[in-house]
Order: sequence, then structure tokens, then C-alpha cells
Amino acid sequence: NAGVTQTPKFQVLKTGQSMTLQCAQDMNHNSMYWYRQDPGMGLRLIYYSASEGTTDKGEVPNGYNVSRLNKREFSLRLESAAPSQTSVYFCASSDRAIDSPLHFGNGTRLTVT
Amino acid sequence: GQQLNQSPQSMFIQEGEDVSMNCTSSSIFNTWLWYKQDPGEGPVLLIALYKAGELTSNGRLTAQFGITRKDSFLNISASIPSDVGIYFCAGGGSSNTGKLIFGQGTTLQVKP
Repeated sequence: NAGVTQTPKFQVLKTGQSMTLQCAQDMNHNSMYWYRQDPGMGLRLIYYSASEGTTDKGEVPNGYNVSRLNKREFSLRLESAAPSQTSVYFCASSDRAIDSPLHFGNGTRLTVT
Repeated sequence: GQQLNQSPQSMFIQEGEDVSMNCTSSSIFNTWLWYKQDPGEGPVLLIALYKAGELTSNGRLTAQFGITRKDSFLNISASIPSDVGIYFCAGGGSSNTGKLIFGQGTTLQVKP
């Protein structure tokens, strides 16, 4: 009964390094999302995948790329990390439409120095 | 872009007190959701509202979908220490994008 699983939980990068955040869900949901959470800013949508095979930009996509590997997995890649990308990243999934309730993972805390 | 204004930003209350928080927007939403985030974890859905005027309870929590469809309220009665966390509202299905928009969060602290 795992729900949404994110790895890693913590990561420290140097400016310019690259990394991929992994996300998998076992609820057979169609839609998956990546959000970032910053103090006082709430949750902001980076990218989403309405269904397997499709991805779209959210509110803050610059500096990120995503891959919907299959129905279960949705990864977020930082090609060249910047200090402004220091944040907590949450993956989420939902059953159907984009505005339906989301189920969140426990987050990845990323620090870029 | 669209914004939700959530207030208050933070609250520090005594155990047993009731709590109220709200979200307002200039946009109309078809869905209002309330989430709670415990420290070090992801947000968890508390209440989902789908109809203007709807009033829904979940234990000591009660939320309402405003008649104008531009606001929502969450009340917590008889607070307990485990109510501590960050509460987020989210609006969805607006005419512009259909994607969920989150408020900035209300941080609740409860003094035993």
C-alpha cells in the first residue's frame, strides 16, 4: 500500500550538476505531476502528465525536463542545477482530470550549493 | 497567473480552541480541496468540495465551498496537538486552466 514513492529523500548538488528525481505510483492513476514547495509560496506546478505518453508545462517549468516512462513512473530531471532550484520537490498522482484530488509522495529535499 | 489568497499565514492557539482559515480568489473554481502537511511529509487530502454552497465534515474538520465559487473555508473544532501542520487550500477546474492552484498555506501550532 505504498501510494506515491519518491527517491531520493535528500540530495545535495553543486551548481551545474545534473540529477533525476524518480517517482512511482501504484494506484493505477492516469495523471502525474511534479511540484516544488518553497517557503511562503505554496506548491507550484512544474510539469504534469495527464496520461501516459503526454507531458505539459506547468507554472514554473524552466530548468527542468520530465519523462513519463510508463503509467507508473514519472521522472524529473535537472540538467544543470542552480541555487534557485533549492527546494522541496513533490510528486503527485490523480485518477482522472487535472483538477481532481492529488495523492502526494513524501518529497525530495534538494539543496544546490 | 491565477492566485489563491490563503489566510491567516500562521496561527498559534491553545489546545481545545476552534480554528478558522479561508481562501479567496478573483477566479471561479469548480473544485475546492483542503490538504494538511505534517513536517517532513507530503500533503494529505482532508476534504474535497465539488458544489457551490456545499458544507462537508470530516471528524472535527468542516469545510465549505463558497456560494460565489471564489472562496472556501476550513474550520477545526476543539484543536488537539496532532492538528499541528501546514494546511493548504487548492482550487481546480477554473475557466482558465483547469489545473489545481494552491494557496500559500496556513501554519498551525497548538499549545498543549
